[in-house]
Amino acid sequence: EAQVTQNPRYLITVTGKKLTVTCSQNMNHEYMSWYRQDPGLGLRQIYYSMNVEVTDKGDVPEGYKVSRKEKRNFPLILESPSPNQTSLYFCASSLSVGLYNEQFFGPGTRLTVL
Amino acid sequence: GQNIDQPTEMTATEGAIVQINCTYQTSGFNGLFWYQQHAGEAPTFLSYNVLDGLEEKGRFSSFLSRSKGYSYLLLKELQMKDSASYLCAVKEAAGNKLTFGGGTRVLVKP
Repeated sequence: EAQVTQNPRYLITVTGKKLTVTCSQNMNHEYMSWYRQDPGLGLRQIYYSMNVEVTDKGDVPEGYKVSRKEKRNFPLILESPSPNQTSLYFCASSLSVGLYNEQFFGPGTRLTVL
Repeated sequence: GQNIDQPTEMTATEGAIVQINCTYQTSGFNGLFWYQQHAGEAPTFLSYNVLDGLEEKGRFSSFLSRSKGYSYLLLKELQMKDSASYLCAVKEAAGNKLTFGGGTRVLVKP
């Protein structure tokens, strides 16, 4: 089944404890992206990747890192999480950067930083 | 940058029609997407418009006017399962970046 998977789905952690949220897609998509979703603010892009080893900042990159060593994986790293990073996180992928390329979203990761 | 506005919430009755408006101001435009998102779940693709006019897909239709920076999503014959948030997203001219509006929560009542 074609899908985007994320792990973990739920995570409660404490300030300063490094964590990684994994994202994987099995559709051979070139483009991958991370969003956070907060009430009243909608989905905001954190980082994106146009292809392997190519990553760039989105609208809210502060406090996050990403890597794209393989086409299928795009992990999100929080080196020193803070309470303002408590949010619902979505990973998404699309085939390429062409005109019509819908993004497929993962199931989401609900992160709470105490 | 992009600025995308849509109403926060709408209520409608089962079997009725609801129209969700989206206005945008952009420095570049490469199409407009509508996504549906049920509470706590991932957004799922509904429609894509890049040319002016109406795109119809079953009970859902989406309209675009590029000159007015305006789109709407029309939901017909509303069903209880249509209760969800509807997200308007504009694709920038460069790259694959999507900028989302805040979403419109639609509540369908019996």
